[in-house]
Amino acid sequence: QVHLVQSGVEVKKPGASVKVSCKTSGYTFFNYGITWVRQAPGQGLEWMGWISGYNGNTNYAQKLQGRVTMTTDTSSSTADMELRNLRSDDTAVYYCATYLPGVQGWFDTWGQGTLVTVSS
Amino acid sequence: DIVMTQSPDSLAVSLGERATINCKSSQSVLYSSNNKNYLGWYQQKPGQPPKLLIYWASIRESGVPDRFSGSGSGTDFTLTISSLQAEDVAVYYCQQYYDTPITFGQGTRLEIK
Repeated sequence: QVHLVQSGVEVKKPGASVKVSCKTSGYTFFNYGITWVRQAPGQGLEWMGWISGYNGNTNYAQKLQGRVTMTTDTSSSTADMELRNLRSDDTAVYYCATYLPGVQGWFDTWGQGTLVTVSS
Repeated sequence: DIVMTQSPDSLAVSLGERATINCKSSQSVLYSSNNKNYLGWYQQKPGQPPKLLIYWASIRESGVPDRFSGSGSGTDFTLTISSLQAEDVAVYYCQQYYDTPITFGQGTRLEIK
């Protein structure tokens, strides 16, 4: 059974960086990719980008270009998402989810979410 | 970017009745080479991550009850719950994966009347 377990709650000050981890299990890591989706309080879903588990190729949402970096560690089957120069409107629950690069664009297994609060 | 617009924003339906949620994309998400609509539907309950219900516009994900169905093509899509159950109270989102950036509708909140 596929499981994604994310790192815990983060509280950051404006201008700081945050790294959220997503530990995967139950499948062959390099066969799938990991996408990141965030949800501001009371708001909808916003796609941040994705990364291939096979070759590490990334595709980031343009509005986050230059502030976000997604990485994978195949040895530990873990994906990380780092967001820099945090602003108050980055306060959100951040989710990782699996997808199949080049085959499917839907996200079938999700992590539990990580709340990131940005506040001075 | 492909803009996804759902209607209505909220919906109240009696138990056992049909619920219908619409999703319109700003451009077609039908890929002509394989005749597939790059459209998914998700359900999100409070405090939980989204759950995939439907992909390719009409294919139910494994384990999803058959009261959930998806239809439509091109730019207009519908999620139908044939007989509303109490556990279906949630926010529902459509998603296009035809092109990046992947985009979602704004969500439709479904409640019991």
